[in-house]
Amino acid sequence: GQQLNQSPQSMFIQEGEDVSMNCTSSSIFNTWLWYKQDPGEGPVLLIALYKAGELTSNGRLTAQFGITRKDSFLNISASIPSDVGIYFCAGLSGNTPLVFGKGTRLSVIA
Amino acid sequence: DGGITQSPKYLFRKEGQNVTLSCEQNLNHDAMYWYRQDPGQGLRLIYYSQIVNDFQKGDIAEGYSVSREKKESFPLTVTSAQKNPTAFYLCASSRQGVLTGGYTFGSGTRLTVV
Repeated sequence: GQQLNQSPQSMFIQEGEDVSMNCTSSSIFNTWLWYKQDPGEGPVLLIALYKAGELTSNGRLTAQFGITRKDSFLNISASIPSDVGIYFCAGLSGNTPLVFGKGTRLSVIA
Repeated sequence: DGGITQSPKYLFRKEGQNVTLSCEQNLNHDAMYWYRQDPGQGLRLIYYSQIVNDFQKGDIAEGYSVSREKKESFPLTVTSAQKNPTAFYLCASSRQGVLTGGYTFGSGTRLTVV
C-alpha cells in the first residue's frame, strides 16, 4: 500500500523550544491530518488540512498542506511537558482509508 | 457522550487460541476500521467496513477476521493463523465512509500471547 515517510523518528527537546516535524509521500493526497497519541491511548486528531497550500493553526500548533500535495509539516511552538507523545501524519486520497506515517516520538525535558 | 469503546483494555491469549476484540461506537458513523500498532511501525490497516454486512481487507489482513452485522459494532477476531499477534489494536470510525478524513479512535486493546 501507500507509504508516508515521517521524520524525525524521535526528538528530545527542552521545554519552551519549538518543534518541527514533516511527512512526505511519493503519492498525491487530497487530505492531510495530524494526530497525537498519548501512551496507552488511541490517537486524537489535532489538525486537518483539505487544500494544497493551506496553513492552519490550533493553539500552539501550526500545520501546512504542501503545494505539491505530497507533503505536510507540523510545528509546535513553546513546547510544554504535556506535548509528550507520538505524533502521526496521515493522508487520504480517493476512496481508500487513511494511510499513516510511522510517527514522531516527542520527549520534552523540563 | 458519543464515542467509540474498545474492550478489553488488556488481553492475554495462549498460542493456538482464537480471541475476539470488541469495538462499539454510538457516533452513528458509517465506516469502521481496525489498525494494528507495533513499536516504530505506525498504524497498519487490518480490515475496514463502509456499510453493514460488507468489509474489505487492509494491508495486513492475514490471520484476522471481522464481521459487521450491526452499524455500531465491528469485532475483530485474531485467529491462530496470525503468527505474531502480540500488538496494540486500535479501532476507529468515521462518517460517510472512507472519503471523510476525520477518524475517531478507541483507546485500544493490548493483546499479549503467552
